[in-house]
Amino acid sequence: EVQLVESGGVVVQPGGSLRLSCAASGFTFDDYAMHWVRQAPGKGLEWVSLISWDGGSTYYADSVKGRFTISRDNSKNSLYLQMNSLRAEDTALYYCARAWDFDYWGQGTLVTVSS
Amino acid sequence: DVVMTQSPLSLPVTLGQPASISCRSSQSLVYSDGNTYLNWFQQRPGQSPRRLIYKVSNRDSGVPDRFSGSGSGTDFTLKISRVEAEDVGVYYCMQGTHWPGTFGQGTKVEIK
Repeated sequence: EVQLVESGGVVVQPGGSLRLSCAASGFTFDDYAMHWVRQAPGKGLEWVSLISWDGGSTYYADSVKGRFTISRDNSKNSLYLQMNSLRAEDTALYYCARAWDFDYWGQGTLVTVSS
Repeated sequence: DVVMTQSPLSLPVTLGQPASISCRSSQSLVYSDGNTYLNWFQQRPGQSPRRLIYKVSNRDSGVPDRFSGSGSGTDFTLKISRVEAEDVGVYYCMQGTHWPGTFGQGTKVEIK
């Protein structure tokens, strides 16, 4: 069974940093590209970042470019999102999702940026 | 970026009746390989999104056959043939043809 479990979401002050993790199981992790998608409270879905199966290619939404870094460790079946210079508008539930076409999603981890 | 526009944004439906959601893209979603990368997702209250349909009309495993997707180019539709109580939630279309991928605003389906 495919499982994606996000962690690392906390309350952080504006300007702060945070690293999210997504632990994958039930499939061959390094066969798949992976995404981060976020959802602000009461709002819709916003794609954040994508990383290729080998980490060689990464893509970012304009809203996070230069502040967020996506990475992966295929030996640990894990996906990461390093978030720097956090802003109030980054407050959201962050999901990891599998494959170019988002076929499986995790349950999300909540990031709150507030003083 | 490609803009995805869904309508309606709110859809009250009677149990057992059909429902239809429209999704329009600001440019054609036909990719150079001939495929159209248009997905539909369901998000039930308090749950994470679940993919229902990929490449316009292909149902994911375990998705009831009362859900169907259709369309081409820039106009797409998700239909529920007979709405059940478990179908309550928000439905999103999403295009993966032109990066970055973009989502529609979401359509909230509720029971009358």
